[in-house]
Amino acid sequence: QSVLTQPPSVSGAPGQRVTISCTGNSSNIGAGYDVHWYQQLPGTAPKLLIYRYSSRPSGVPDRFSGSKSGTSASLAITGLQAEDEANYYCQSYDSSLSGHLVFGGGTKLTVL
Amino acid sequence: QVQLVESGGGLVKPGGSLRVSCEASGLTFSDYYMSWIRQAPGKGLEWVSYISSNGNIIYYADSVKGRFTISRDNAKNSLYLQMDSLRAEDTAVYYCARFYMTTADYWGQGTLVTVSS
Repeated sequence: QSVLTQPPSVSGAPGQRVTISCTGNSSNIGAGYDVHWYQQLPGTAPKLLIYRYSSRPSGVPDRFSGSKSGTSASLAITGLQAEDEANYYCQSYDSSLSGHLVFGGGTKLTVL
Repeated sequence: QVQLVESGGGLVKPGGSLRVSCEASGLTFSDYYMSWIRQAPGKGLEWVSYISSNGNIIYYADSVKGRFTISRDNAKNSLYLQMDSLRAEDTAVYYCARFYMTTADYWGQGTLVTVSS
């Protein structure tokens, strides 16, 4: 059980908007530590999608955006496309953990 | 561009040892922290360990502390993970990643470690 909680699955039709939440506590997101998001397409290694809550690495479409509120962060995907079907993971720093780094449990996005 | 290539995975018996390696190119390896992250079959991601650019700062997840040792050779642009006293629950794909500002911004393709009798 991760200290960062994500919904196991979300789904949406092509063209729709979906959001994935990542809920933490006062030792991680609530303490102001950065949240990052990764996309893992089937059979591939994870890829950095969003860093420091809302910044996109070069090459990531602006359909992907991130935000934070209190002890939670969210990833939003607009204009959903079939190739967005993947697992998404949030990640942060936690002051209460040995090593301090933690991933959320992951969310499977299904494009209907 | 940054490339990270892992090697050394395989099948090992419980209690055995294995060393996985990661060769980096396309970056000034000695400037960056590096990390190992693993993913058990059908499961999520778990941060295993990370090491500072000069090797002086090292962290381990509680699940591997005392059994795994991370190291690096900056002259060879290489990162290593020595895994001892392996258990079935260590079975996973092990990814090497560049660690920058608390994030893993570049990942290798991974190497599979299977612990089974």
